[in-house]
Amino acid sequence: NAGVMQNPRHLVRRRGQEARLRCSPMKGHSHVYWYRQLPEEGLKFMVYLQKENIIDESGMPKERFSAEFPKEGPSILRIQQVVRGDSAAYFCASSPFAGGPFVNEQFFGPGTRLTVL
Amino acid sequence: KNEVEQSPQNLTAQEGEFITINCSYSVGISALHWLQQHPGGGIVSLFMLSSGKKKHGRLIATINIQEKHSSLHITASHPRDSAVYICAVREGGTASKLTFGTGTRLQVTL
Repeated sequence: NAGVMQNPRHLVRRRGQEARLRCSPMKGHSHVYWYRQLPEEGLKFMVYLQKENIIDESGMPKERFSAEFPKEGPSILRIQQVVRGDSAAYFCASSPFAGGPFVNEQFFGPGTRLTVL
Repeated sequence: KNEVEQSPQNLTAQEGEFITINCSYSVGISALHWLQQHPGGGIVSLFMLSSGKKKHGRLIATINIQEKHSSLHITASHPRDSAVYICAVREGGTASKLTFGTGTRLQVTL
């Protein structure tokens, strides 16, 4: 059972470009969380999604950021018109739908390191 | 004031020492997680606790719900334990976001 996968692992964008970060949850997991880690800062929650639904987006910046988790395919975090302040590590985590011993666990992906030039 | 506070922020220990990292939180929680982040940046979940104590190898995690406090202990520390250790709490139900402490950077030397 492969772990949580994120790609790309490293992404370089110029100011004003768009960044798309992908997260494939573990098999059987239908909950996805996105977290951001700014340089020299702690992890911060951004958004929590289930298949085709945004459950909690209280940590998402109001503009330029969006997230989706379609019925088929990975979850995508999209940042439009990137600025230097968006440079950070973006981590995705997944957890199972319900039941079983790991229902409350979150399994983290390796992260995508975004650099905005 | 942060909802989750960790201490110390930085810790240097010699190989073989017993290490304790503390975490205090100010909100009601349904679970507390201890995570490990290595220099390469990947995050590994070490423990998830809602009460009592858990042990895995040389790692022990305890939580006191009444005092809103948790500790992570490492016995017989080793240089490969060098990492950032992060405490995170979940306030809501079984599937909800985590709120993180700022982490404790541990360096274990020979």
